[in-house]
Amino acid sequence: EPEVTQTPSHQVTQMGQEVILRCVPISNHLYFYWYRQILGQKVEFLVSFYNNEISEKSEIFDDQFSVERPDGSNFTLKIRSTKLEDSAMYFCASSELATSRWQYFGPGTRLTVT
Amino acid sequence: DQQVKQNSPSLSVQEGRISILNCDYTNSMFDYFLWYKKYPAEGPTFLISISSIKDKNEDGRFTVFLNKSAKHLSLHIVPSQPGDSAVYFCAASVMTSGSRLTFGEGTQLTVNP
Repeated sequence: EPEVTQTPSHQVTQMGQEVILRCVPISNHLYFYWYRQILGQKVEFLVSFYNNEISEKSEIFDDQFSVERPDGSNFTLKIRSTKLEDSAMYFCASSELATSRWQYFGPGTRLTVT
Repeated sequence: DQQVKQNSPSLSVQEGRISILNCDYTNSMFDYFLWYKKYPAEGPTFLISISSIKDKNEDGRFTVFLNKSAKHLSLHIVPSQPGDSAVYFCAASVMTSGSRLTFGEGTQLTVNP
């Protein structure tokens, strides 16, 4: 069965450093998402992406965050200058349609900012 | 953000019995609801969904009930199996406003053999 993959599974970085989290969505999917879950808290929506542009973003997704689809397969989330509070599990998701039923999630990248 | 709330952090049931997981929401604009299941070290996996035009949707052992007037939905698992032990997330969206999912806190279900 096709699946969303994410790399790395765990990323440790120092405060102020830039990180790039990578995702390979399911190949025929057109809509891409990033969510995060801070330890002990809810899964929170960050951003959705379609047709090479952001279609929706949350209040969490500020200027420190950016997303890109650099080629036909990867979808990346960049955090320019990490803060301690960026430590979380970051989930990539993709869907064939815009309807939310079909969001398939990757296994997540655990980001630890020290 | 309290728009979707799961008040029970954990639930323990015996194998073969019914598991009932509950979820409440406050945003009356939500018109599509989903349940996701999550095992440790994995991402959420879609389980079942329901549109606001329905009050029940069934898929095998899983049934979701929606009570719009009470802004409440529940997931019934019958019969429960040990492999069902996982964290269950309720999520909601407004279909006409993109596909952002708003999640509840999750309920850890443990099914005891």
